[in-house]
Amino acid sequence: GAVVSQHPSRVICKSGTSVKIECRSLDFQATTMFWYRQFPKQSLMLMATSNEGSKATYEQGVEKDKFLINHASLTLSTLTVTSAHPEDSSFYICSANQGASNQPQHFGDGTRLSIL
Amino acid sequence: RKEVEQDPGPFNVPEGATVAFNCTYSNSASQSFFWYRQDCRKEPKLLMSVYSSGNEDGRFTAQLNRASQYISLLIRDSKLSDSATYLCVVNRGTRLTGGGNKLTFGTGTQLKVEL
Repeated sequence: GAVVSQHPSRVICKSGTSVKIECRSLDFQATTMFWYRQFPKQSLMLMATSNEGSKATYEQGVEKDKFLINHASLTLSTLTVTSAHPEDSSFYICSANQGASNQPQHFGDGTRLSIL
Repeated sequence: RKEVEQDPGPFNVPEGATVAFNCTYSNSASQSFFWYRQDCRKEPKLLMSVYSSGNEDGRFTAQLNRASQYISLLIRDSKLSDSATYLCVVNRGTRLTGGGNKLTFGTGTQLKVEL
């Protein structure tokens, strides 16, 4: 069964709206979670690493004030797309390691965000 | 040069065929390697990890050549349900090696298995 749960799966909203996406690890604690974005016909691109109890680390080119990450507990990380615009429309996916760092990551179902 | 390179395909093969995908990676500090499968508009799902000694899981065989920084996936007796995009994924390294356990994804190779 799923080990990482992501919610919501689909969001359609107007330009200027802020959207929060939740990523939960089920039955295990994740001190680190990862947020990715995937545009059509492109590969997943890592946006940021979410660290429990500390600030997220962002990849080059990703605006930290635009994409707010909060990892307040060992099982929950949230990504907020602030003042979303049509160019932010994408497939957002989170992942977490269940075991050692060299083990594969498990992915949430993804959130398809459409900004009108 | 991309960190992880794959032939995007598509590979159109008949049911029952054997098909092979290749992948190269540029970061020699990479520690772990995986093949994921992604269906259209869905999240990636782990297909298998890739080990230096090579490993097999049913109809799927993965190989790793660290010297050449090359990874392969072989699918035997392909089935219609194998149609998907196959992602070559490389772990950049652990926190100790500065990789932060981050994954780098290839753009994927699209496979279409036909009757």
